[in-house]
Amino acid sequence: AAGVIQSPRHLIKEKRETATLKCYPIPRHDTVYWYQQGPGQDPQFLISFYEKMQSDKGSIPDRFSAQQFSDYHSELNMSSLELGDSALYFCASSIGQGPPDTQYFGPGTRLTVL
Amino acid sequence: DAKTTQPPSMDCAEGRAANLPCNHSTISGNEYVYWYRQIHSQGPQYIIHGLKNNETNEMASLIITEDRKSSTLILPHATLRDTAVYYCIVRAKYSGGGADGLTFGKGTHLIIQP
Repeated sequence: AAGVIQSPRHLIKEKRETATLKCYPIPRHDTVYWYQQGPGQDPQFLISFYEKMQSDKGSIPDRFSAQQFSDYHSELNMSSLELGDSALYFCASSIGQGPPDTQYFGPGTRLTVL
Repeated sequence: DAKTTQPPSMDCAEGRAANLPCNHSTISGNEYVYWYRQIHSQGPQYIIHGLKNNETNEMASLIITEDRKSSTLILPHATLRDTAVYYCIVRAKYSGGGADGLTFGKGTHLIIQP
C-alpha cells in the first residue's frame, strides 16, 4: 500500500539558513500534519492542513511556515535556522480532520543544523 | 483530550504476549483510545484504536475496561521487532474545529528479550 513520502530524508544546513521539507500524503488523504521530534524527545505537533487550508496550530515557531498545495502535498519552510531546530520532522496524513480518523506517518526528515 | 499514564518501561520474552497498560481515568464519553508505536527514529506507526468495545486487528488487541478508565494493548506473540516505544493517546471525536495533532506522552519502552 502507498505510504506517506517525505523528502529529503536527510538535510544539513548552517545556522541562519533556510530549509524546505516536503510531504506527499497517501493518495486520497486530504489532511496533513507536521511534527517535530528533538533528540531524546517525544514527537510534538506543529501544524495541520485540511483541504489546503490551515486547520490547527501547535507549537510551531514563528520562523516556520507551511502550506498545502492543490495536489495535497505540503511543504514546511524553516527560516533563520537555529541549532535547536536540529530534529526529526515527521509528516502524517489522514482522511478527514479527527477521530475516528487515523493518522499515518512518513519516515521523517532528519534536519541537522551546524 | 484526557491525559494518559503509562509505565516507562516493560520487558517481555520473545514469543509471549506483551500486555501494555494505560490509565486514562479522566476520559470522557466521546474520546477514543489510540495506540501508536515508534521503533527507534522511525515514523510513529498506527496500531489500533477503540471507543468502548474491545478491538482486534492483525497487529494487536485493545481491551478497554467497562468504565473506560484504563485499557490494555496486547501483542499476542511478541517478536524482537516489537521492541519500541508504545504510546497510548486519547483523542476526542471530531466535532468541528481544526484537525488536532496527536499529543504524545512519554509512552512505554517495551523491550522484547530473546
